[in-house]
Amino acid sequence: GPKVLQIPSHQIIDMGQMVTLNCDPVSNHLYFYWYKQILGQQMEFLVNFYNGKVMEKSKLFKDQFSVERPDGSYFTLKIQPTALEDSAVYFCASSFGRAQDTQYFGPGTRLLVL
Amino acid sequence: AQSVTQPDARVTVSEGASLQLRCKYSYSGTPYLFWYVQYPRQGLQLLLKYYSGDPVVQGVNGFEAEFSKSNSSFHLRKASVHWSDSAVYFCVLISNTNKVVFGTGTRLQVLP
Repeated sequence: GPKVLQIPSHQIIDMGQMVTLNCDPVSNHLYFYWYKQILGQQMEFLVNFYNGKVMEKSKLFKDQFSVERPDGSYFTLKIQPTALEDSAVYFCASSFGRAQDTQYFGPGTRLLVL
Repeated sequence: AQSVTQPDARVTVSEGASLQLRCKYSYSGTPYLFWYVQYPRQGLQLLLKYYSGDPVVQGVNGFEAEFSKSNSSFHLRKASVHWSDSAVYFCVLISNTNKVVFGTGTRLQVLP
């Protein structure tokens, strides 16, 4: 089936540094999402993105977070500066239609902030 | 506000046994409901989804789920589980305003 790729699979950084998580969505998909999953806890919605804009974001999507997809390339999540509580697995997803359409998930990027 | 409750954090069954994973939701509108499975170190994979029509929906790998508006439930079932079904299962609700809410997940262990 359709695949979503995420790069890198793991990232370790020092608190206060910037990190960019990359997502290569399914090629004809139009809607993009980021989710956060702290180890052993619930998957939580961060943001969705369509037509170059953030459509909806949750309270977890702090001011230090930003997303973009320049010129149809990777869909990125940038955290600047990072904090200890940002340590989690970040999952990217994409769908052709709105959120109610089937979302295809990537394998996740494991971020550890020291 | 929308919410999803999966009351069983862990379920253990023997291979070949039947399975039900429970999901209750709270939403005033008509929900879009999904079941996703997460295998270790992988992203989520869709098992099935429901919005309208026949309340029993068939999914992949022999899974099915039944929507009940009166009980606000969307329980997942399988007649005979296999050891490879061991994973974490998430019930997900999406509102008609695109709000996505995950349940806390149920970890299924299938004993050989």
